[in-house]
Amino acid sequence: DAKTTQPTSMDCAEGRAANLPCNHSTISGNEYVYWYRQIHSQGPQYIIHGLKNNETNEMASLIITEDRKSSTLILPHATLRDTAVYYCIVRVVSNFGNEKLTFGTGTRLTIIP
Amino acid sequence: DAGITQSPRHKVTETGTPVTLRCHQTENHRYMYWYRQDPGHGLRLIHYSYGVKDTDKGEVSDGYSVSRSKTEDFLLTLESATSSQTSVYFCAISGGLASNTGELFFGEGSRLTVL
Repeated sequence: DAKTTQPTSMDCAEGRAANLPCNHSTISGNEYVYWYRQIHSQGPQYIIHGLKNNETNEMASLIITEDRKSSTLILPHATLRDTAVYYCIVRVVSNFGNEKLTFGTGTRLTIIP
Repeated sequence: DAGITQSPRHKVTETGTPVTLRCHQTENHRYMYWYRQDPGHGLRLIHYSYGVKDTDKGEVSDGYSVSRSKTEDFLLTLESATSSQTSVYFCAISGGLASNTGELFFGEGSRLTVL
């Protein structure tokens, strides 16, 4: 299974763009990159996902490098409510269609007023 | 919000006793997952299910068993609870990559304390 590596923690000033990196150098061609975040002790919340192309939705943008070995989640205008732990995961699909999702330890993002 | 409920939400038990956590969904999703979360370890996959009676192990499956006899319920059992199994347990469901975004929907968590 592809593993991901993320920085343990990051700070970002309120109103600025938060750029969260993720390394997934062993990713395979059919594996998707997903991002989730977890606020306090709630269950994680889906943010965005992608395979090869860059993606954007109302919450964030996802930039995936051409070789797909790393990606960056961008929160364009961070607010205090974006303070959370952000998880980058690779979605493995087996030959039987089983989808196993393994989370790492994530990046604790703190938005500074 | 996705229709997913976990029970019990809080439980205190003693070492050596059996414990069963239940995850119930009303979304008819194919995939169901059990994770545990501990400080410094993030979310770790215990077991998951890709259909009725179809389950597979995750990263930390030792000491846990699961069953899925119908689509809507996924049970996590600790046959003989140990203090190392004190944790917050999250259930998640997903329609898989064949669904809209394939995202996971999480329950609110079950806090288990083993004394």
